[in-house]
Amino acid sequence: DAKTTQPPSMDCAEGRAANLPCNHSTISGNEYVYWYRQIHSQGPQYIIHGLKNNETNEMASLIITEDRKSSTLILPHATLRDTAVYYCIVAEGRYGGSQGNLIFGKGTKLSVKP
Amino acid sequence: DAGVIQSPRHEVTEMGQEVTLRCKPISGHDYLFWYRQTMMRGLELLIYFNNNVPIDDSGMPEDRFSAKMPNASFSTLKIQPSEPRDSAVYFCASSSQGDTEAFFGQGTRLTVV
Repeated sequence: DAKTTQPPSMDCAEGRAANLPCNHSTISGNEYVYWYRQIHSQGPQYIIHGLKNNETNEMASLIITEDRKSSTLILPHATLRDTAVYYCIVAEGRYGGSQGNLIFGKGTKLSVKP
Repeated sequence: DAGVIQSPRHEVTEMGQEVTLRCKPISGHDYLFWYRQTMMRGLELLIYFNNNVPIDDSGMPEDRFSAKMPNASFSTLKIQPSEPRDSAVYFCASSSQGDTEAFFGQGTRLTVV
């Protein structure tokens, strides 16, 4: 079973920041937080991941609380193309390439509206 | 690179028939994963390979399902005989040592009637 809890849906206005929360209260010390998204009719796409420090890349920022029991994915300027289901996944740090061994939950359906 | 390539994109078959789904991973990737997605159960990992060897097949639902990886550039997922409850979108993904992400294909939408 997935070790994360996410709201089933969220709305965001185009151009505004989208903040997607995730609870992972049972995360263990060697587990990372991964975020993927799935745009309708496409395969999941990796966004970002982190262990305990906040992370930022060209797509998004990941804020992890100090106790690591929750995190927030931030899309700084949401566009209509960001409408998708966003999955927060907790998994062991992967070495050797097994990053695809993931347990997906229900995710959050983000709707970006004009 | 063209990414992970799956074929066919859509498959409609009759119950009882054999179905074969195909996947070509990204060149140089040594891990390959098969997932199934349904409305009821979401995305489920079925099996994954490392260097063409099956590592974990605990997600394969029944003996009717089998997967092979005869070489580094090709994998198949076979269902024999197919049943209506096998209707789903099947995704293939690949990754390599040193990567921080898995790359997914566009999926095969299977409909068993």
